[in-house]
Formats: sequence, structure tokens, C-alpha cells
Amino acid sequence: DADVTQTPRNRITKTGKRIMLECSQTKGHDRMYWYRQDPGLGLRLIYYSFDVKDINKGEISDGYSVSRQAQAKFSLSLESAIPNQTALYFCATSDPGPLDVRANVLTFGAGSRLTVL
Amino acid sequence: AQSVTQPDIHITVSEGASLELRCNYSYGATPYLFWYVQSPGQGLQLLLKYFSGDTLVQGIKGFEAEFKRSQSSFNLRKPSVHWSDAAEYFCAVGARGNTPLVFGKGTRLSVIA
Repeated sequence: DADVTQTPRNRITKTGKRIMLECSQTKGHDRMYWYRQDPGLGLRLIYYSFDVKDINKGEISDGYSVSRQAQAKFSLSLESAIPNQTALYFCATSDPGPLDVRANVLTFGAGSRLTVL
Repeated sequence: AQSVTQPDIHITVSEGASLELRCNYSYGATPYLFWYVQSPGQGLQLLLKYFSGDTLVQGIKGFEAEFKRSQSSFNLRKPSVHWSDAAEYFCAVGARGNTPLVFGKGTRLSVIA
């Protein structure tokens, strides 16, 4: 099994629908992240969490919410999907470690491709 | 806050030729620097990283990168490209403290025979 698992891998939905993307990890890492990838824009941070009780907004959090259900699980929700949320979404994890070094080494899931019609 | 610029959106090289992908960063202190690769339909895989010490770092798949503080650069190189190196490459910069990585917009590498 992959260290970081994202479900679903592909999803097509309609405008206005609620969508949840799920991420689970077996790395035992405290830190989890959601990034969005768009062609020509690279990866942009949506939300991140340093532990179960910690949630932080990233660069592009509007229209998204997250839930950290357990150390190993971090879900991203789109309450009312719109077409410009069509993108490839990545979950990632990292381990704090000493001197922040390991905190910066991300392990990525395979991605969830979302299409909003 | 840190930022990253990858000036080249798309590069095409011939198989067997050398490769250099450019990355420039902005950060007030010594950064943590990374190169990730994304093969078609795949997630991102760490190629190499720089934290401190020797400014020339070796990574997987025969890649290396050199940190040049004076130029705020961390360019990725490979002496001889293979067709399997065709992918998208992302440079990223991190910082001390609780600040997530910031990624560049990526450079897509095409390899021709």
C-alpha cells in the first residue's frame, strides 16, 4: 500500500455539489497538507495541519474546508463546487524532526483529479 | 515570505544531451531547497534537497543541483538525459520554522530522439 493514499483518484461532478477528497497516511507523520495543481500555476497550498488540533489556511483556501479526523486522516471539502475548482489535488505529509529539516521533506499522494462541470 | 521562480515553462532536449533547469528563489536567510519530479499521471517524487553544507547536492536518477547564494539559484542538472526523464520538474523553497514549502510553477521537460 502507498504511504499516502488519496481517494477518489478521479471524480466528475456538477456545479453546486458537495465534494470530499480524502487522504490517509501510514507514515506516522504529524503534518499534512493539501495542494492544488493547475497547468502553468504549479502547486498552491490550500490548507495545512501540524497536528490533529491545528488547522491553517494556505494561499488559496477560499471555497474549501478541511477536517483532520485523526493523525492519519486529512480531508478536503468543497461545499459547493464550481468549475474553476477543476484541478489536480495533492495531499502530502511531513515529519517535524529536529531543526525543521524533516518538516520540509514532503511525501505526496498520487493525486485526485476533480472535474466540475 | 519565500518565493520561487522557474523561468522556463517548457524545455525540449535530445536524448543523450545535457540538461539544466533553472530555479531562482527569494528568501532572506539560508533556505531549504528542493527539486521534485512529476511523471505523467503520477504524484511528486523528491529528486534532491539542500539544507546546508556542500553546495553541490546529488540526487536520484543521476540528477544534481548546485546552490549558489550569490545568484539566489538552485539549478538542476543532468549530464545525459534519458527518454524516461520526460516529466514536469518543480523547484521548491522552505524555511526554518513552521512555514510550508512554496513551489515554483514547474518546467515541463520533453525528450526527443
